[in-house]
Amino acid sequence: DGGITQSPKYLFRKEGQNVTLSCEQNLNHDAMYWYRQDPGQGLRLIYYSQIVNDFQKGDIAEGYSVSREKKESFPLTVTSAQKNPTAFSLCASSPITGGVRYGYTFGSGTRLTVV
Amino acid sequence: GESVGLHLPTLSVQEGDNSIINCAYSNSASDYFIWYKQESGKGPQFIIDIRSNMDKRQGQRVTVLLNKTVKHLSLQIAATQPGDSAVYFCAEKQSTGSYQLTFGKGTKLSVIP
Repeated sequence: DGGITQSPKYLFRKEGQNVTLSCEQNLNHDAMYWYRQDPGQGLRLIYYSQIVNDFQKGDIAEGYSVSREKKESFPLTVTSAQKNPTAFSLCASSPITGGVRYGYTFGSGTRLTVV
Repeated sequence: GESVGLHLPTLSVQEGDNSIINCAYSNSASDYFIWYKQESGKGPQFIIDIRSNMDKRQGQRVTVLLNKTVKHLSLQIAATQPGDSAVYFCAEKQSTGSYQLTFGKGTKLSVIP
């Protein structure tokens, strides 16, 4: 089955430590996204990528970095500069041309906690 | 579970009743709309979509209505079940030349058994 896989589901980060969240899709989607979801605030865009080796900052990119070395993969690194103590991060992918459905397919999320 | 529903508008519905969840969108040029369902601790799941050249679209137990005059989208769930309890949010694609979605903040639906 085609889908998008995020790992790990739960991640604990010590202050000053960088951690990387994994996102892999086998949907052959060109675009991939990272969102953060805080209680009551909806989805806020961290980074997105339309094509391999290219990505753009979203609304809350500070303290995060990404890479897009392969079409299937879009890992997110949370650096020590990211001050939010707890976050639920969602990865998504979508087609960008043609097709009937433009909607995003989401992963199941990673819950990151600073300890 | 994940507290993604804190401080969101909440709709409480008796099991078996119909639910109506509303969404006001921002851009009159938006040409495509989607409703997502997000259960606690999980990622959002696609429910139903509608293009701007339609006023209504029906799925299994769900209907989406689009009123372009007032930029309003609604999701109707028939015979609401406990498994429908979740946060629901709408998304719009803001133009024919764009592929990115803009998301609403969501409504928490609680089904009373």
